[in-house]
Amino acid sequence: AQSVAQPEDQVNVAEGNPLTVKCTYSVSGNPYLFWYVQYPNRGLQFLLKYITGDNLVKGSYGFEAEFNKSQTSFHLKKPSALVSDSALYFCAVRAPPYSTLTFGKGTMLLVSP
Amino acid sequence: SQTIHQWPATLVQPVGSPLSLECTVEGTSNPNLYWYRQAAGRGLQLLFYSVGIGQISSEVPQNLSASRPQDRQFILSSKKLLLSDSGFYLCAWSVSRTMIEQYFGPGTRLTVT
Repeated sequence: AQSVAQPEDQVNVAEGNPLTVKCTYSVSGNPYLFWYVQYPNRGLQFLLKYITGDNLVKGSYGFEAEFNKSQTSFHLKKPSALVSDSALYFCAVRAPPYSTLTFGKGTMLLVSP
Repeated sequence: SQTIHQWPATLVQPVGSPLSLECTVEGTSNPNLYWYRQAAGRGLQLLFYSVGIGQISSEVPQNLSASRPQDRQFILSSKKLLLSDSGFYLCAWSVSRTMIEQYFGPGTRLTVT
């Protein structure tokens, strides 16, 4: 079975500071890993994915994520947070060849002015 | 480009009433389609997925059913709603079993009273 853990319910950061949202996973074989963002009462928006290759993945809106196989982690990062980044962030994993994703419980990111 | 629609956007229904939520995708053929429910606790639960017309896989036994009458149409139904059916329902699509990421619709907020 595959699973995802997002250990922080909420992350608080000041605008302009770097941010990190943590994610660890458990899966058999090589994982496909994803980050999504959700604004209030909206659907999820795809941010980035890791399939293979470079461990540092760059995505939308200046976000990036680092795949660490030995620590089974896929943390989301951004060098300089914006107030508009405040939202709910989901990490997800998929173990090929299956077509379904398993999501973490989400981490609320609050960026203060 | 591809777009995904869901309707209605919001719905208030009494306990015991029927339910029909619709999802359609434009700009692609033979997508994989998914129904998720997001409860107040934020986590996403995969309810159903479909890899083709008339092909439905159920992930969790429940009061709901799904149908795919056309290639790009996915319907979530219930004969009698329960209070526990309240939540935010999200439809998603991916190109095929080998397509990596899923793309989500805007969601339907269902309140059962």
